[in-house]
Amino acid sequence: DAKTTQPPSMDCAEGRAANLPCNHSTISGNEYVYWYRQIHSQGPQYIIHGLKNNETNEMASLIITEDRKSSTLILPHATLRDTAVYYCIVRPRNIGGGADGLTFGKGTHLIIQP
Amino acid sequence: GAVVSQHPSRVICKSGTSVKIECRSLDFQATTMFWYRQFPKKSLMLMATSNEGSKATYEQGVEKDKFLINHASLTLSTLTVTSAHPEDSSFYICSARDTVIAEAFFGQGTRLTVV
Repeated sequence: DAKTTQPPSMDCAEGRAANLPCNHSTISGNEYVYWYRQIHSQGPQYIIHGLKNNETNEMASLIITEDRKSSTLILPHATLRDTAVYYCIVRPRNIGGGADGLTFGKGTHLIIQP
Repeated sequence: GAVVSQHPSRVICKSGTSVKIECRSLDFQATTMFWYRQFPKKSLMLMATSNEGSKATYEQGVEKDKFLINHASLTLSTLTVTSAHPEDSSFYICSARDTVIAEAFFGQGTRLTVV
């Protein structure tokens, strides 16, 4: 998996948008950008993924730069329950099989302030 | 959404005993499951890849005879920590890859404490 770089921690006020950056300058053409989060003492939770187009779902939006060397995860209206460690991972999407465990970096500890 | 159930959620055992952790995919089939370990304030580290009907593949530095993995069906993988020691105390997390959509979903984790 390509290496990613994320800030170790960020604060965000409750109700505001939380923008979490991720650098992945060595991403290759067949690798997707995935975001997971881990709330304390729980298993990771899938948030969103994308290849080159911006993506949005009920949890978040993912903005990927045109050169694909960086991306931003946006939580539009952060709540206290969004406090968690957010992991940005780049990996191929193995449609049809293949086995690859995920390589987790240190992630960003997002703290939502009341 | 896809649900992966891990049991137990927490367990305390004595040194020298063995502990079995189960990982079940509740609403999808998983040919491949993964086992991770997470020490306090550290990130998840992949321990092994479990393939239904065949031997698990272990990451470098993970003792296969200590961490026994069995993946006997498309919905169940088990991790047995044998002859547990206090340094095995950790948060163990499984994930199961949906065979159809090739995405992996995580269990809620098992907190193992060896006393």
